[in-house]
Amino acid sequence: DIQMTQSPSSLSASVGDRVTITCRASQGISNYLAWFQQRPGKAPKSLIFAASYLQHSGVPSNFSGSGSGTDFTLTINSLQPEDFATYYCQQYKTYPYTFGQGTKLEIK
Amino acid sequence: EVQLVETGGGLIQPGGSLRLACAASGFTVRGNYMSWVRQAPGKGLEWVSVTNGGGTTYYADSVQGRFTVSRDNSKNTLYLQMNNLRAEDTAIYYCATSSYLDNWGQGTLVTVSS
Repeated sequence: DIQMTQSPSSLSASVGDRVTITCRASQGISNYLAWFQQRPGKAPKSLIFAASYLQHSGVPSNFSGSGSGTDFTLTINSLQPEDFATYYCQQYKTYPYTFGQGTKLEIK
Repeated sequence: EVQLVETGGGLIQPGGSLRLACAASGFTVRGNYMSWVRQAPGKGLEWVSVTNGGGTTYYADSVQGRFTVSRDNSKNTLYLQMNNLRAEDTAIYYCATSSYLDNWGQGTLVTVSS
C-alpha cells in the first residue's frame, strides 16, 4: 500500500499568515493527489484534486496546491478565521487509496 | 447541486450486520465513481471502497470480504452492506462522489458494541 505522510501533524498560525502543509507519498503517484478540509463536527470538504486544481468555485483562491510524483504541498495564503481546521491529503493513483494522517491548523 | 444523504447507521453488536444507504440527488450514481470513507471517533479519515463506472468495487484490506457495495439505479442510491462487524468498525461512514471525493454526504454513525 502507498503510505501518505503529512507534515507537520499540527501547526499554529495567526490570521493573515501564510502556511504550507506537506504530503509525501511512499511511491510515485503522478498528480493523483487530493486535499480536504474538515472543520470540527463537519464532513470533509474537497479543496483540490489532481494536485493543483481547485475543486469548486466555492473554494477560496487563497488555497493552492502543487507537486507531482512523491512530494506535494498545500499552501494557504492570508489565513482567514474559517481556515482553522484539519487538512488531509489522499492519493487515488493505486488501490487501496490512502489518506495522510491529517494536519491540524490551530490559531496562535 | 449534488446532494448525498447517508442513512442506516446505529448501534449494532459485534458480529452483526448493517446496511448503509447513500441517496444521491443532482447526480447519477449509475456509470459514475462512488466512494465510501469512514472516520473513527477522534481519528483521521480511512478509505473504505470505490466503485467505478462499470460497477467494479475495490475495498480496503480491513473490510475486504466483510463489506459489499451495491447500487440501485432506480433509486439512485448506493449501499454498503457490512457483515461480521467488529468494534474497530465503529466510525462515521461517509459516501462521496468520484475517486477523488469531490462531494460528500453528512455521514452516518455506526457503533459496534455489546
